[in-house]
Amino acid sequence: GQQVMQIPQYQHVQEGEDFTTYCNSSTTLSNIQWYKQRPGGHPVFLIQLVKSGEVKKQKRLTFQFGEAKKNSSLHITATQTTDVGTYFCAATPRDNYGQNFVFGPGTRLSVLP
Amino acid sequence: GAVVSQHPSRVICKSGTSVKIECRSLDFQATTMFWYRQFPKKSLMLMATSNEGSKATYEQGVEKDKFLINHASLTLSTLTVTSAHPEDSSFYICSARDVGRYNSYNEQFFGPGTRLTVL
Repeated sequence: GQQVMQIPQYQHVQEGEDFTTYCNSSTTLSNIQWYKQRPGGHPVFLIQLVKSGEVKKQKRLTFQFGEAKKNSSLHITATQTTDVGTYFCAATPRDNYGQNFVFGPGTRLSVLP
Repeated sequence: GAVVSQHPSRVICKSGTSVKIECRSLDFQATTMFWYRQFPKKSLMLMATSNEGSKATYEQGVEKDKFLINHASLTLSTLTVTSAHPEDSSFYICSARDVGRYNSYNEQFFGPGTRLTVL
């Protein structure tokens, strides 16, 4: 079955430093979504990427979809304490009709003030 | 924005009893809802896809007789954990997709989760 991996598993940064998490799939994807889960909270949708090589920005967050549609990255510039949480990618296989996502294991980000 | 609620938020029950968890989409209709299970500091594991008016689709390894899902309306899905045991203790999260926005996004809106503890 499809496997979705994320690295790193944990990341500790000093406030102001940049942060990147990578999501890799064993199969070609239809689309990929990113979610953020704050400690004690539930996942919140951040963005969806659909096109090969797509890059989207949300303020300090930059999302990228690989050319082969098998990997993605989330980059945060100048982290803030409000960025603390776990970032999950959720991948939809190309041959699936968007019904089921496979969530990656997540990258837990802590930001030291 | 789309809001999904879950009830109860926490439940503690004795081993052998059944527990029902409700998932409601408050301001949109959801033909499809999803039930996930999340262990501490772990990712979300999809348990089943709940389809309004039809049987749920269960993921491999999830016992359908153990985790009963009913999606009776476009705004309500329920998950019943039958004959609960301590190993069923977990965080259960539902999500829903807005029918009206289906062609734009596959975005899922998550409920706040239900923490089940089986003694």
